[in-house]
Amino acid sequence: GAVVSQHPSRVICKSGTSVKIECRSLDFQATTMFWYRQFPKKSLMLMATSNEGSKATYEQGVEKDKFLINHASLTLSTLTVTSAHPEDSSFYICSARDHSGIDYNEQFFGPGTRLTVL
Amino acid sequence: RKEVEQDPGPFNVPEGATVAFNCTYSNSASQSFFWYRQDCRKEPKLLMSVYSSGNEDGRFTAQLNRASQYISLLIRDSKLSDSATYLCVVNKGGGNKLTFGTGTQLKVEL
Repeated sequence: GAVVSQHPSRVICKSGTSVKIECRSLDFQATTMFWYRQFPKKSLMLMATSNEGSKATYEQGVEKDKFLINHASLTLSTLTVTSAHPEDSSFYICSARDHSGIDYNEQFFGPGTRLTVL
Repeated sequence: RKEVEQDPGPFNVPEGATVAFNCTYSNSASQSFFWYRQDCRKEPKLLMSVYSSGNEDGRFTAQLNRASQYISLLIRDSKLSDSATYLCVVNKGGGNKLTFGTGTQLKVEL
């Protein structure tokens, strides 16, 4: 299957700092990528849909000014958590669809980034 | 009511057992259905799509009942390596948004 990478895999930062997470599709082009957040023992929650060359679409309750998304190329989307606070500590996972793949609906997930805000 | 509901478990079963998980979804307009597997502190990985006619992949069988808005996953001859959290996932259609259940934890024991 298609491969999606994320960087960094783990980050610990101080409260008030900004953290950038990268999501890359390594062997396919992704016009659409998705950003999810998962708190311990909870389900993955879609935060936003990242669209190459246009603005991201945010889910209800997700602050677009706090979670900045940029999808500047067909293989890279970035999520920046601005002025991070301890309550932002979570597991952030991106996914991408391979439109040329066998299963049009399948989303491939990155390995996730574990953010801890002190 | 949650959009996708699952029994969180855990289901503790002996190796070789057959185990079944159920999932219900609230949106009757949902179009695509999946089972994902998630290992501890890892990303979800697609186990199988669920088709209206039901489908089987080795020891795994998935069923969909649209009338009851119900999806199931059956695992036969459980292996230790099947221990994971199984996520029921629904695509409401008209886009690519996936809605995840909280997952059902399976522990296969010797």
